[in-house]
Amino acid sequence: DQQVKQNSPSLSVQEGRISILNCDYTNSMFDYFLWYKKYPAEGPTFLISISSIKDKNEDGRFTVFLNKSAKHLSLHIVPSQPGDSAVYFCAAILSTGTASKLTFGTGTRLQVTL
Amino acid sequence: SAVISQKPSRDICQRGTSLTIQCQVDSQVTMMFWYRQQPGQSLTLIATANQGSEATYESGFVIDKFPISRPNLTFSTLTVSNMSPEDSSIYLCSVVRRMNTEAFFGQGTRLTVV
Repeated sequence: DQQVKQNSPSLSVQEGRISILNCDYTNSMFDYFLWYKKYPAEGPTFLISISSIKDKNEDGRFTVFLNKSAKHLSLHIVPSQPGDSAVYFCAAILSTGTASKLTFGTGTRLQVTL
Repeated sequence: SAVISQKPSRDICQRGTSLTIQCQVDSQVTMMFWYRQQPGQSLTLIATANQGSEATYESGFVIDKFPISRPNLTFSTLTVSNMSPEDSSIYLCSVVRRMNTEAFFGQGTRLTVV
């Protein structure tokens, strides 16, 4: 059972426009969410995170929004740049047990075109 | 952040053989994890590498197939034993410095079993 879902396997956006990557989860016990970016032949790189007590966190061009009632989060990248082309993974952490265990979504491949 | 060196970066192995993957971190970390990313799938946690004691395995993963060592706070190994083509994946080492914050990843080991 996939507890963290990224329903869009790919997304194409023009340079300068906004990229919106979506993530849904089913476990209401998740209390911390993270976004990772992954280039080919490299490990995932941490981008931005958000605690479940917040609904928005912003860091430069990246903003993550959390809607707890809908069990939905999204990553906004604005303006999008060609270097943002990568696979983006949403991940979640449970509030109980080993708190640092990450549950990942299947990823969304973002292509930023010129 | 943390600098994580993972070796080898890739390998092609014969079925029935074993491969040991090494993970070296540039400083002491509390928690180290091993993940697997099968083709087209999300990252899946294999186990938590515990310093000085046996690793903690997730459901579906067993010590006989994936023995893990962690002799100190900066180093861990994962062995993929008696390999079959189904073990062809990217294997990733991950570390966490503080609870409930971002995890850092090595560049991964791309394993192909033929």
